[in-house]
Amino acid sequence: GEDVEQSLFLSVREGDSSVINCTYTDSSSTYLYWYKQEPGAGLQLLTYIFSNMDMKQDQRLTVLLNKKDKHLSLRIADTQTGDSAIYFCAEMAPPGRRALTFGSGTRLQVQP
Amino acid sequence: SAVISQKPSRDICQRGTSLTIQCQVDSQVTMMFWYRQQPGQSLTLIATANQGSEATYESGFVIDKFPISRPNLTFSTLTVSNMSPEDSSIYLCSVQTGTGELFFGEGSRLTVL
Repeated sequence: GEDVEQSLFLSVREGDSSVINCTYTDSSSTYLYWYKQEPGAGLQLLTYIFSNMDMKQDQRLTVLLNKKDKHLSLRIADTQTGDSAIYFCAEMAPPGRRALTFGSGTRLQVQP
Repeated sequence: SAVISQKPSRDICQRGTSLTIQCQVDSQVTMMFWYRQQPGQSLTLIATANQGSEATYESGFVIDKFPISRPNLTFSTLTVSNMSPEDSSIYLCSVQTGTGELFFGEGSRLTVL
C-alpha cells in the first residue's frame, strides 16, 4: 500500500542548510514531489524528481532520492526566514495512477 | 506551468446546506483532481474529475456527498452536499500538465457552523 512519512518539525538558523526527509513504501513510485505551504495559502510546487534519477538541483534546492531505501530528501541551502512554511512530500504511485499520496508535512521554522 | 483559479476562496455555511466550488485552469489539461485538507492535516484525494464521464472517487468518498462535474478540459466543480461541521476543510483543485508537474489552486476554505 501507499504510505508516506515525514518528521513533523525542523528548526534551523537563518543561513544554515535545512534537510527535510521523507520515506515512502511503494517501490513503484514514478514521480516524487516537494510542495511548500505557507499559512493561509495553497500548495506551491517546489520541485519533483522522476524515479530513475538520484539527484536534482534547482538553485537553492537539492533533491536526493535513494530508491533502495525508499528515502527522499529536500535540502535548502542558505535558509531564509521566508522559507518558514510546511513542506509536503508526495508520491505518484503505482504506475498509471496520476494522483498523489502526501506525507503529513514538515513544519520548517527558520530562526533569525 | 498552469494557473488555477478557485472560487470561492472561503465561505461560512450553515449545517445542512450545499456549496459548489469552481476550479478554472488557464490551459487545457487532461487530469484534474480534488483534494481535501482538514485543519492541521495533510491532503487527501477525494476524486479524479474525468472529462465527459463520471468522476472516480477514492475510498471513503461518495458521489452523493461530493458530486463533481467536468464539462470541459479547463473547468470543474466540486459540490459539498448536506454539510456538517466535519466538512470544514480546505478543498483544493489540482491539475497535471503534460510534463508531469502537478499544480494546485489556492484552495477554498470552508467553515460549516
